[in-house]
Amino acid sequence: DAKTTQPNSMESNEEEPVHLPCNHSTISGTDYIHWYRQLPSQGPEYVIHGLTSNVNNRMASLAIAEDRKSSTLILHRATLRDAAVYYCILRDLERMYSGGGADGLTFGKGTHLIIQP
Amino acid sequence: DGGITQSPKYLFRKEGQNVTLSCEQNLNHDAMYWYRQDPGQGLRLIYYSQIVNDFQKGDIAEGYSVSREKKESFPLTVTSAQKNPTAFYLCASSTQEHNQPQHFGDGTRLSIL
Repeated sequence: DAKTTQPNSMESNEEEPVHLPCNHSTISGTDYIHWYRQLPSQGPEYVIHGLTSNVNNRMASLAIAEDRKSSTLILHRATLRDAAVYYCILRDLERMYSGGGADGLTFGKGTHLIIQP
Repeated sequence: DGGITQSPKYLFRKEGQNVTLSCEQNLNHDAMYWYRQDPGQGLRLIYYSQIVNDFQKGDIAEGYSVSREKKESFPLTVTSAQKNPTAFYLCASSTQEHNQPQHFGDGTRLSIL
């Protein structure tokens, strides 16, 4: 899986939007962009994923650059419960088509999001 | 509720002792995974299994062993050959499709006495 780069930490205020960036300049045409988050002393939790178009779900939005070399996870109105480490991960769709089946995720260090009340 | 259960939450091991971490899921998922997390780091893959009675080594399999005798269970044994076993261990499961999300348990924290 291609590499991603994220800031080590970010800080935001409660009830304000948060934009978490991720750079993936070596992304291939078949890589999906996945986001997970990990609250303190818990396992990671899936947030959202996308390929080319922007995606929305109940947790967040994912904005993908036109050249796909970067993406941004958007939390529209942060709460204290959103304080976590956020991981941006690339998943190669070509592996699925080649019959490789499910395999593990490659986690970087992620972005530690701090929410101020 | 469907989910993944890891036990125990905390585990202590003496030097030279093998310990087994439990992971059970009732999500009817074919694939299961074990990860290790060290402080301030991301997760690293130890072993994964796509189907019952089959498993593959991940990036850091040395000193660990697994079995997959039942679809819902994927226990991890930390052997005495693992020289630095103190870490947070996370189990996950997913469907067999490569791009589907993984569902994680709440982890087991292993420490050496």
